[in-house]
Amino acid sequence: AQKVTQAQTEISVVEKEDVTLDCVYETRDTTYYLFWYKQPPSGELVFLIRRNSFDEQNEISGRYSWNFQKSTSSFNFTITASQVVDSAVYFCALRKTSEKLVFGKGTKLTVNP
Amino acid sequence: EAGVAQSPRYKIIEKRQSVAFWCNPISGHATLYWYQQILGQGPKLLIQFQNNGVVDDSQLPKDRFSAERLKGVDSTLKIQPAKLEDSAVYLCASSLGASGGGDTQYFGPGTRLTVL
Repeated sequence: AQKVTQAQTEISVVEKEDVTLDCVYETRDTTYYLFWYKQPPSGELVFLIRRNSFDEQNEISGRYSWNFQKSTSSFNFTITASQVVDSAVYFCALRKTSEKLVFGKGTKLTVNP
Repeated sequence: EAGVAQSPRYKIIEKRQSVAFWCNPISGHATLYWYQQILGQGPKLLIQFQNNGVVDDSQLPKDRFSAERLKGVDSTLKIQPAKLEDSAVYLCASSLGASGGGDTQYFGPGTRLTVL
């Protein structure tokens, strides 16, 4: 069975600090996809990134970066120089081929000015 | 390009009443999903449509929940009768419908349902 664990329930940082959100997943499949979504207070889930299991390259997009390590089944998300607008709940999700998207419980990030 | 539209944004009803939610997906997206998100948890898939056919409704409580996508575009999710534990945010998502698991889902703003 698929499972996604986001051990950090809540994180609070001060603006401009770097913060890493952890995601650990479980699957027996060799082909799968990992996602990160952001859910601001408005409620809409905003897609951030998709990564397939065969692509272990880390990715950077502006202040956001993702570290995918199959050896530890982790797909961690780092925000550099955090801003107040980064305050949201962040979800990591896993999907095997042709199966449903399974979400973690989310990490609530609060960035204080 | 317009995103996924949902209405209403908020709904308050009493238990045993019925309620319906509407979703209009991104234009051209063949696959439509309804999720239930209880406070403090990640979204849970209720039903998935590919065009107007059901792909997965294994987690839909069929004794009280129903959903349809008659013309393969917009969709309605209904709860009848509602229970207190149905209080949640109901999210609609859509995707192009490409095969495999890498199809990215785009979400609407959700409907926050409160059952009193």
